[in-house]
Amino acid sequence: QVQLQESGPGLVKPSETLSLTCTVSGGSISNYYWSWIRQPPGKGLEWIGYIYYSGSTNYNPSLKSRVTISVDTSKNQFSLKLSSVTAADTAVYYCARVRRIADYWYFDLWGRGTLVTVSS
Amino acid sequence: EIVLTQSPGTLSLSPGERATLSCRVSQSISSSYLAWYQQKPGQAPRLLIYGASNRATGIPDRFSGSGSGTDFTLTISRLEPENFAVYYCQQYGSSPWTFGQGTKVEIK
Repeated sequence: QVQLQESGPGLVKPSETLSLTCTVSGGSISNYYWSWIRQPPGKGLEWIGYIYYSGSTNYNPSLKSRVTISVDTSKNQFSLKLSSVTAADTAVYYCARVRRIADYWYFDLWGRGTLVTVSS
Repeated sequence: EIVLTQSPGTLSLSPGERATLSCRVSQSISSSYLAWYQQKPGQAPRLLIYGASNRATGIPDRFSGSGSGTDFTLTISRLEPENFAVYYCQQYGSSPWTFGQGTKVEIK
């Protein structure tokens, strides 16, 4: 059974870089797209971007200048870096697997999420 | 950017009642690119419906999705206690992928 687990600091200072890793267990990271989504406390969901296991990426333009998503197939992990953070980046960050079958795309597996607070 | 508008914001119903949730998309998309998720407090979202009308694995048949173009609907035929949650629609038709703001289904 494939599971996703986010890890990383729960507190980041303003102007610094938020770094999170998602570890995929119980299955291979290969042949899938992988994504990051965030949810500010009490608010809705925002898609951050995705990466294919081969390394190609697609980012939300609203965050593109600050976001880097990378993959390490040898460790079965993918990562998120978000630079120059402010309090507006405080959110629960989820990693998720993107399933693409023919024309269908959807997030079929999610991590449990990790709360990242931006504060000095 | 494609905007998804869900209505109503909150739906107050009793167990056993039928719930009808709407998702209006700002520009037409293929039904292949519309999904619905359920989120309970403190939990990650869970996939319910993909391709507008296809139930995900393990999702009971009281959940159904329909629609095309710019208007999509999620129907819960008979609410069970575990179905009270927030529901989000999401589109994959155009980048950036976007979510609706959510509909909360609460116990009346």
